[in-house]
Order: sequence, then structure tokens, then C-alpha cells
Amino acid sequence: QQQVKQSPQSLIVQKGGISIINCAYENTAFDYFPWYQQFPGKGPALLIAIRPDVSEKKEGRFTISFNKSAKQFSLHIMDSQPGDSATYFCAARKTSGSRLTFGEGTQLTVNP
Amino acid sequence: EAGVAQSPRYKIIEKRQSVAFWCNPISGHATLYWYQQILGQGPKLLIQFQNNGVVDDSQLPKDRFSAERLKGVDSTLKIQPAKLEDSAVYLCASSPGVSYNSPLHFGNGTRLTVT
Repeated sequence: QQQVKQSPQSLIVQKGGISIINCAYENTAFDYFPWYQQFPGKGPALLIAIRPDVSEKKEGRFTISFNKSAKQFSLHIMDSQPGDSATYFCAARKTSGSRLTFGEGTQLTVNP
Repeated sequence: EAGVAQSPRYKIIEKRQSVAFWCNPISGHATLYWYQQILGQGPKLLIQFQNNGVVDDSQLPKDRFSAERLKGVDSTLKIQPAKLEDSAVYLCASSPGVSYNSPLHFGNGTRLTVT
């Protein structure tokens, strides 16, 4: 059972544009939602995370928007740069303790 | 701080052979994870250790996969015998604690190709 569905599978944006990646989850017990960034040949690295008690969290050019009723959350990358080209994974877990479940990933390419 | 170290970086074996991967976590990190990342998919947890005890191995194919964490520090993951579908990147991660928001620090992985 795929508990975290991520879209799109791949995304191409121009430098300076906005990149938007969406995720939907099924398990209503999930209450912690991190995003990880992975460059080729490297392991994923934590980018930003949110809990459902807030609808939005911003860190620099990266923003998570959260819609609890729709069981959806998204990552927005403002002013996208070529250096942002990477694979992005959303993930979810229960704060009470459970494994981190990852989405399938979105390969982002930012053209100069 | 030094990151999570993994070796080897690449391994090519034939099906039915055995293989072992090694991981050295960040110093002081009590929690260690092994993930399997098949091409085009997100990482999938195989096993989680807290110190040298197993916390979660529910997704580990125990008929062929085994893992141990020696003295609560280094860890090895073994596959015996390997199947074609085991071709993947095996990622080791560590975190300082078990709290939900304790970030996972991943190594660069071992890419396994089973022919």
C-alpha cells in the first residue's frame, strides 16, 4: 500500500520560476511531514518539515503548504535556481513513533 | 562533523551470490537505519537499530537479508543469496535520537547491481 503519493514524477522549470511539488497521504495518523532533497550520487538530506498544526512553513526560498482536510501538502521553491536541480522526496510519519514513509520522488530540473 | 560513511560505493555480483555492506554512522548517533532505494522510487526502510537493538525490521526480507550493529556503532547489512530484484542503492542513515523530528543523516549509499 503506497501511503504517500507524490506528483509530478518530473518537473522542468526555468531559472527564476516557481517549482511546485505535491504530495497526498492516506494515513490520518501521520502528523509529521518532512521534505528531503537528493543530488545524484548522494544520500537524501532534510530540507524542511512541517506539522499539521500550521498551514504553512517558510525557510528561505522553500515553503511547505499543508491542507489537513484534503490530506495534502506541497513544496514550493521560489526563484528556482539551477543548483536546485535534484530529486525531491516528501515523507510522512507519526510523531508517536513510526517509520518514515517516503513518496516516489520528483526529479526537478531548473534550466538556466 | 563527519558524515555517515558507507562502503563499498559500488558492487556488481551475480544472482545467488552473497554481498555485505558496511556503515559507520555519525559519532554519537544512537539510531541507525538501512534503506533500500530502487531506481525511480523513494527509500524504503529495511531495518532500524536503537543502539545495538532492533527497533523495526518488519520490512526486512529475513530469508535473505540480515543486519547487525556491532557495539552500537558500525553496522553491516548482508544479502545471501542475492536476487535480480535486489538491484538498488542501499542507504545507511543515522540520527541522534528517536524523536519524530530527529533528522536522518544519510550516507551516499552503495549501488548494488545483481546480474
